[in-house]
Parts: sequence; structure tokens; C-alpha cells
Amino acid sequence: SAVISQKPSRDICQRGTSLTIQCQVDSQVTMMFWYRQQPGQSLTLIATANQGSEATYESGFVIDKFPISRPNLTFSTLTVSNMSPEDSSIYLCSAKGVYYEQYFGPGTRLTVT
Amino acid sequence: DAKTTQPNSMESNEEEPVHLPCNHSTISGTDYIHWYRQLPSQGPEYVIHGLTSNVNNRMASLAIAEDRKSSTLILHRATLRDAAVYYCILTLRSNDYKLSFGAGTTVTVRA
Repeated sequence: SAVISQKPSRDICQRGTSLTIQCQVDSQVTMMFWYRQQPGQSLTLIATANQGSEATYESGFVIDKFPISRPNLTFSTLTVSNMSPEDSSIYLCSAKGVYYEQYFGPGTRLTVT
Repeated sequence: DAKTTQPNSMESNEEEPVHLPCNHSTISGTDYIHWYRQLPSQGPEYVIHGLTSNVNNRMASLAIAEDRKSSTLILHRATLRDAAVYYCILTLRSNDYKLSFGAGTTVTVRA
């Protein structure tokens, strides 16, 4: 299994600003993912963070709003840009294990005022 | 996309087994069946996955129907810590085995 940590654990931000969330894995992994969980909802996949190339975004998510970096096999960042109250959610990263299972971080709880 | 159907909620008594059903009638031959759970205020936790044969690990057992159109997650002795939302997810080779979360089953464990 892999152990995932995220920073910050929570933040309160003003609309129009940006927040970068960091995700660290305790071992090298091939694939990392970013999810959003809106209040009372299930998880929605935002994008796959690819090492050495641009992230692959799911329908409804765009790079200008959610730029992602993946500089190496253990680290990734997600930026939530030009935030509005609708961006208030929990943002989670995950890493793919050996057999297609995924291991999740504890999440970053974002509130936009 | 192949979809799963789960009951919205289930209740169990502590130290009794819990059987969580999942229907996936449109599953294809290369699709894996995954189970995750999410405890309150935590990220999802991998529970178990399988393809065709039944699987056991330290957390649970996964029983897969012979035609693969349904499966059952079995928690052998529920504890209060098992209260969570349980998600049954098909991962598709055609979709790079990404996870698509539905609403899941909310499991309540009574002391």
C-alpha cells in the first residue's frame, strides 16, 4: 500500500484568489489522480496527473481552472484558480497501487468566502 | 459506461456479518470489481477487488456471481469502526481503470 499526505488539510480563501494543494506519496507510483467531493456528494475525478507530461482532464474540468503539476513519481500539486464559493469542496489526491487499486489522501477541505 | 447499483443504506449489529450487494449487469470481461469505503471526514479507503474468483483479505471477502453480474462484499464481524459509505465500482480497461464513484451504501452499525 501507499501512504498519501496532503497539505494544507483545510483552508478558507477569498473569492478570486488561488490555492495550491500539495500531495506527497511515500513511494514511487506511476499514476496519481485528483478528485473533488462537493458537500454531501460523492467523489468526482478531476484529472490524472501524468509525470513528465500534461495532466489529462475529465469532462467539465479545464487546465486553466485546475492546473496540475507532477514533477516526479512521488509528488503532485493541484491549483484551484480564481476561486468562487462554488469551488468550496474537499479535494483529494490518490495514487494507483500495483493492481489498479488506489490509495487516497485525507483530503483538503476548502471554503471560499 | 458500466454502472453499479447498490442499496442506499444498510444497518447491522456489532459483531454480526454484513453482506453488501452490488449489481453490475453490464459488466464486460475485462472489468474489475472494486470496493472502497469512506469513513466520516476521511478519504476513501481501498477494501478489496476481484475479477472472476472470490477474494479474501484481512478486511473483507468479495463473492462474485458466476455470471459476474453481481457481487457481495462481506464484512465478517462488523465493528463500530465499519460504519461508513461503501462504494462498489467497476474499473474498465477502456477507461484506463479509473474510478467512478456512485452514491454508495451507507452502513450503520448498532452497538
